[in-house]
Amino acid sequence: QLQLQQSGPGLVKPSETLSLTCTVSGGSISSTSDYWGWLRQPPGKGLEWIGSLYYFASTYYNPSLKSRVTISADTSKNQFSLKLSSVTAADTAVYYCASGPTYFNWFDPWGQGTLVTVSS
Amino acid sequence: EIVMTQSPATLSVSPGERATLSCRASQSVSSNLAWYQQKPGQAPRLLIYGASTRATGIPDRFTGSGSGTQFTLTISSLQSEDFAVYFCQQYNNWPLTFGGGTKVEIK
Repeated sequence: QLQLQQSGPGLVKPSETLSLTCTVSGGSISSTSDYWGWLRQPPGKGLEWIGSLYYFASTYYNPSLKSRVTISADTSKNQFSLKLSSVTAADTAVYYCASGPTYFNWFDPWGQGTLVTVSS
Repeated sequence: EIVMTQSPATLSVSPGERATLSCRASQSVSSNLAWYQQKPGQAPRLLIYGASTRATGIPDRFTGSGSGTQFTLTISSLQSEDFAVYFCQQYNNWPLTFGGGTKVEIK
């Protein structure tokens, strides 16, 4: 059974880069049958898709964040990561990693979530 | 971008009663729609995909229906553990988008 465990700092300074990692267990990050994604949820608000990684190569990003986002994978550690540059207070949110079956872009399972606060 | 609109924002229901949640897409998403349940402090949980297929382990009191632009999630007899926020998500077009959520609260 696929499980996702998130890690990374909960506090980032404005203008810096937010970095989070998601470690995959019960499956392989190199699998062609799964894809890997990041989403976020500002406190008390709805969900926003950030981007997804497929076949350990192709990536799709939300156009609203595309200029600042990089999603990549590390097969040696069975992890995938999120980098969001030039953060502002508007990027304060709970960030989730998630997975799903390739060709179908729903999300199951999800990581536990990481609250990232952007503040000096 | 496809805009997903959920209604109502809040639904007050007594335990044992039926709850009907709506999700509307700004353009057709075929049957490429998922529903999630989220409880406070927890990650969302997939309930329904393909508009009407229950995810593994989801009780049959949860039923999804609809296609195109209009979708419904019905909870036939609300249990205490069903009081939560529910989101719909379309995955027919990029970018993937979610509705704003419906909070199901105890009446």
